[in-house]
Amino acid sequence: GQQVMQIPQYQHVQEGEDFTTYCNSSTTLSNIQWYKQRPGGHPVFLIQLVKSGEVKKQKRLTFQFGEAKKNSSLHITATQTTDVGTYFCAGGYGGATNKLIFGTGTLLAVQP
Amino acid sequence: DTEVTQTPKHLVMGMTNKKSLKCEQHMGHRAMYWYKQKAKKPPELMFVYSYEKLSINESVPSRFSPECPNSSLLNLHLHALQPEDSALYLCASSQVDMGLSSYNEQFFGPGTRLTVL
Repeated sequence: GQQVMQIPQYQHVQEGEDFTTYCNSSTTLSNIQWYKQRPGGHPVFLIQLVKSGEVKKQKRLTFQFGEAKKNSSLHITATQTTDVGTYFCAGGYGGATNKLIFGTGTLLAVQP
Repeated sequence: DTEVTQTPKHLVMGMTNKKSLKCEQHMGHRAMYWYKQKAKKPPELMFVYSYEKLSINESVPSRFSPECPNSSLLNLHLHALQPEDSALYLCASSQVDMGLSSYNEQFFGPGTRLTVL
């Protein structure tokens, strides 16, 4: 079956440092979504990538989709304490199934 | 209104109890989902409803019984649960995906934290 892995599992940074999480699927993706879950909260949608090699930016966040559509990354520039939480990628494999496979997640801790 | 509501927020039940979790959305979404999330783990898909019909059951044990009585409501009926079923149960909704390469974003509710004794 499809599996989506993320590395690292946990990252601790000083405020102002950059952060990157990497997402890898065992099979080719149709699309990938990214969600953020604050401690004690629920997942909140950040973005979706669909095209091979696509890059999207949201302020300090940069999202990339690999050329082979099997991997993706999220980069945060100059982290802030508000960036704390777990970042999940979620892979869509196409078809009218509405089914996402969530990655294992990366927990980001930011020290002020 | 872009909110998905879930009740109750917390639930403690014994292994012989019957209880139900409720989820409601008023965004006009016709796809609704149940996920199970254990601590420090990703959400795991349990069920998907599309146009009020069950479209995906991820081999979930029959002690979990979903129901979608109308386009705004989603229930999860619980019976004879095991302690390992203790988890955060998340409901989500979205527009229905039409088989294209792009999916619609999912809106999650705050979840019900379930403890089975």
